[in-house]
Amino acid sequence: QKEVEQNSGPLSVPEGAIASLNCTYSDRGSQSFFWYRQYSGKSPELIMSIYSNGDKEDGRFTAQLNKASQYVSLLIRDSQPSDSATYLCAGFRNYGQNFVFGPGTRLSVLP
Amino acid sequence: EAQVTQNPRYLITVTGKKLTVTCSQNMNHEYMSWYRQDPGLGLRQIYYSMNVEVTDKGDVPEGYKVSRKEKRNFPLILESPSPNQTSLYFCASSFLVAGYEQYFGPGTRLTVT
Repeated sequence: QKEVEQNSGPLSVPEGAIASLNCTYSDRGSQSFFWYRQYSGKSPELIMSIYSNGDKEDGRFTAQLNKASQYVSLLIRDSQPSDSATYLCAGFRNYGQNFVFGPGTRLSVLP
Repeated sequence: EAQVTQNPRYLITVTGKKLTVTCSQNMNHEYMSWYRQDPGLGLRQIYYSMNVEVTDKGDVPEGYKVSRKEKRNFPLILESPSPNQTSLYFCASSFLVAGYEQYFGPGTRLTVT
């Protein structure tokens, strides 16, 4: 079992819909979580960080963290074709001060 | 402009020929890190550094070396590259506080024949 798991996709949603991306983690030592977006051939760029249980909203993006269920999600409202990319979930191990990434979910927003 | 730079961007080399990939950041970040990205495996951390002269192994350190003699630079050294080190490499940096939000360099595509 990988430490951070994501559905590899592709996840296809129509333009204007809500895209829901999910991530589960196995190491309870991971306390901080991050969502990155990566376009093909480009480097990852940070979208959201979340450190405590609950929801965190930033524009069209909402991150959700449930530490009891070891579950992190990212919702993208009003999805646009420009949102088509691979989304990487990452956890930060407090005890080791290092990062663990999931394999990424490929999102396709259809015009 | 705040950025992380890597050089070279593309490199083709032969087995056993030592190489260095440079990484530099201009944001005064304490934390710097190297990753490799392979299809189906995602990003895996190779080495990281909390500050000058402080480095530690990530999840896949075998075959790599790093050094942190200056705060802004964090080179990745492959003493004797092998074909299984063919990959896309990213350098990243962040502050130690404020949540470790990492900024990534543009990537270095390495091919070892």
